[in-house]
Amino acid sequence: DQQVKQNSPSLSVQEGRISILNCDYTNSMFDYFLWYKKYPAEGPTFLISISSIKDKNEDGRFTVFLNKSAKHLSLHIVPSQPGDSAVYFCAASTGNSGNTPLVFGKGTRLSVIA
Amino acid sequence: DTGVSQDPRHKITKRGQNVTFRCDPISEHNRLYWYRQTLGQGPEFLTYFQNEAQLEKSRLLSDRFSAERPKGSFSTLEIQRTEQGDSAMYLCASSFIVGTQYFGPGTRLLVL
Repeated sequence: DQQVKQNSPSLSVQEGRISILNCDYTNSMFDYFLWYKKYPAEGPTFLISISSIKDKNEDGRFTVFLNKSAKHLSLHIVPSQPGDSAVYFCAASTGNSGNTPLVFGKGTRLSVIA
Repeated sequence: DTGVSQDPRHKITKRGQNVTFRCDPISEHNRLYWYRQTLGQGPEFLTYFQNEAQLEKSRLLSDRFSAERPKGSFSTLEIQRTEQGDSAMYLCASSFIVGTQYFGPGTRLLVL
């Protein structure tokens, strides 16, 4: 039973355009959500997070939106750059700061084409 | 560099052998987590510590797996009698009691 789902295994976007990565979850106890970026043969790198009490969090080119009623979150990258090409993981935590065991989706591979 | 470090980065072993991995967390981080990632999947939680106390173990963690954090600093993950299904990337992360988890580079295990 997958509690965190990323239904798009891959996404291809032109440089300069917006990338939108989606994530759905099923567990109502999740209180904190995170996005990590992963390059091959490296560990995940933290990108941005959002608490369930917010519906939006922004950090530079990255914005995360949370729709609690739909149990859906999305990561927007604007503008997309070739260096953004990586696998992006959505993760959820029952803790209020992401400090409890994370439940990850399967990831979405983003390719930004120059 | 004050990030999470893991050693070794790669390990090839024969089925039935024991292996041990080490993780050094970010200095002063109280919590340390172990995850496992297989091809095409996201990381899956194995176990975590707060200081030297092991707080939770996943059902994924069979009896052949044991983890320790004896002095509340570095941690070791041992797999006894390895099986081919243990081949994976083993990831370590650390955090303060309140705060985001930061991951190390991982140890890639291949069991032949």
